[in-house]
Amino acid sequence: EIVLTQSPSTLSLSPGERATLSCRASRSLSSQYLAWYQQKVGQAPTLLIYDTSKRATGIPDRFSGTGSGTDFTLTIARLEPEDFAVYYCQQYDTSPLTFGGGAKVEIK
Amino acid sequence: EVRLVESGGRVVLPGGSLRLSCAASGFTFDDYTMHWVRQVAGKGLEWVSHISWNGNSAYYADSVKGRFTVSRDNTNNSVFLQMDSLQSDDTAVYYCARSLIAPDYLDFWGQGTLVTVSS
Repeated sequence: EIVLTQSPSTLSLSPGERATLSCRASRSLSSQYLAWYQQKVGQAPTLLIYDTSKRATGIPDRFSGTGSGTDFTLTIARLEPEDFAVYYCQQYDTSPLTFGGGAKVEIK
Repeated sequence: EVRLVESGGRVVLPGGSLRLSCAASGFTFDDYTMHWVRQVAGKGLEWVSHISWNGNSAYYADSVKGRFTVSRDNTNNSVFLQMDSLQSDDTAVYYCARSLIAPDYLDFWGQGTLVTVSS
């Protein structure tokens, strides 16, 4: 199975700052089938980004995704108070679906 | 409005069985592959199983293969997870989620149901 490694595991930032989250795959995702989810405390994950760079319905444009091969990035251009949460990447290039370990964006 | 509502989670003894349900509404249920994903408290997400739109194909994580069985009822817009031979490391919140195909991204998730395996 494809292992996804997220870094850093915790990011301490202030509102208005830029957040850059990394997700590295153990082997190349040939079709760039990578998604990002946001999970707030006590809630289910919600889809942010799919196919590496496409925003899900209703997701603001401060969220963007880039990458190819084994290296992928989620960028939050200017952190809003509601963006402090845990973020997971997920690959669907190959079964089984696998998730990264998560990255917490916390208020500095 | 799309809704996925899980139920059936409770405390169960090691070696016991449990059946989780997920009731879907607000979309054409049999257009979608349905998944179960679990999350241990304070930890990450683990895909458990999925079932195709017509129920003809089902897949499982190695950690649950042979113990869990997924099924669906397209007449009543529901998906189920039969969990047998439960172990302490099956303790988690179980989410159902949907995708158009498999493998794919999961575009909507339920709120989850907590399964606790403990004596």
